[in-house]
Amino acid sequence: QVQLQESGPGPVMPSQTLSLTCAVSGASISSGDFYWTWIRQHPETGLEFIGHIHYSRGPYYNPSLQSRVSISIDTSKHHFSLQLTSVTAADTAVYFCARGNNWSYGVNWFDPWGPGTLVTVSS
Amino acid sequence: DFQMTQSPSYVSASVGDRVIITCQASQVINNFLNWYQQKPGKAPKLLIYDATNLQIGAPSRFSGSGSGTHYTLTISSLQPEDIATYFCQQYDNLPPLFGGGTRVDIK
Repeated sequence: QVQLQESGPGPVMPSQTLSLTCAVSGASISSGDFYWTWIRQHPETGLEFIGHIHYSRGPYYNPSLQSRVSISIDTSKHHFSLQLTSVTAADTAVYFCARGNNWSYGVNWFDPWGPGTLVTVSS
Repeated sequence: DFQMTQSPSYVSASVGDRVIITCQASQVINNFLNWYQQKPGKAPKLLIYDATNLQIGAPSRFSGSGSGTHYTLTISSLQPEDIATYFCQQYDNLPPLFGGGTRVDIK
């Protein structure tokens, strides 16, 4: 059974860098069939795709966040990571990691998801 | 800007009622559309993929249909365990984009 679990250091100060890691179990993070994905959910708005990474094709980022986001993968540790720089209160959200299914033109659906972790940006 | 508009944003119905949720894309998305169910305090779960295909393990009372820019999620007979927020998601264009969500409640 595939499981994903987010982890991170907790609250983040404005202008600092948000860092999260997603541990993957029950599936190979080196499989060419999947994109390892970060998605966030703001309290009052919906779901926002942040970006994903394929073990051999590298990352893709949402253009709205591209200047501040970096996603990396560590196949030896079976995890992938998110860094978001220069955070503001607008980055306060629940952050999910998810497995994206690979198809001819990229990722199509996301299944399963981690339980999510709330990241609060506050001084 | 490419947009996915869900309606209604909230629906309250009785147990056994038929519930229909719609998702309107601002351009044709060629059935590249998924639906997710998110129960309170939980992560979203894939419910329907490619507009009409029921995910393994999802109850058969859920179905998806549509074409072009207009898609629907139907719950044929609402059950108490269906209380959740439902999201559509398109993947015809990058980046993948989610609808704003429809909260379903029991009267």
